[in-house]
Amino acid sequence: AQSVTQLDSHVSVSEGTPVLLRCNYSSSYSPSLFWYVQHPNKGLQLLLKYTSAATLVKGINGFEAEFKKSETSFHLTKPSAHMSDAAEYFCVVSAKGSQGNLIFGKGTKLSVKP
Amino acid sequence: DSGVTQTPKHLITATGQRVTLRCSPRSGDLSVYWYQQSLDQGLQFLIQYYNGEERAKGNILERFSAQQFPDLHSELNLSSLELGDSALYFCASSVEATSGNTIYFGEGSWLTVV
Repeated sequence: AQSVTQLDSHVSVSEGTPVLLRCNYSSSYSPSLFWYVQHPNKGLQLLLKYTSAATLVKGINGFEAEFKKSETSFHLTKPSAHMSDAAEYFCVVSAKGSQGNLIFGKGTKLSVKP
Repeated sequence: DSGVTQTPKHLITATGQRVTLRCSPRSGDLSVYWYQQSLDQGLQFLIQYYNGEERAKGNILERFSAQQFPDLHSELNLSSLELGDSALYFCASSVEATSGNTIYFGEGSWLTVV
């Protein structure tokens, strides 16, 4: 079975400081991993995905994530937070044989202070 | 804009009633997914169709059903509604139904059961 655990339900940073949203995964197979973002009253937007190519994945809006198999982690980072980054972020796994459907973490709400 | 269209955006209905949520996938996508987002359960996979056939089932109640039509649009039918069915229902689509596929989400249909 596959699952993801987002280690923080809420992260608060100041504008211009780095962002780190933590995610650990569990999967019996080589997983595909994703980060999605949900702005208030909006749908889910794909930030980036890992599918067994380069372990450092660059996404939209300056976000990136590093796949670390030894640590079963896929943490999301951004060097400098912007007010518009305030949203909920979901770490997601899609494992082999899953027909492509996604298993979501519980989400991390990112607040950005001016 | 993801290209996935969901209607209606908001719906308020009474307990015991039946509603139908509609989804048009992105042009060219054959696979459609339905997800439910609620405060207590988070984001849960309900059901997946690929080119008109059911491919995978998640935590979908027996009171709920879905189908994908020849033109690839999909409908999610929710019957005998209960207060606990109040949630945001997402439709999503992808080209294929395999792990690692990028899945694009619509903006959701807000269902409130009163």
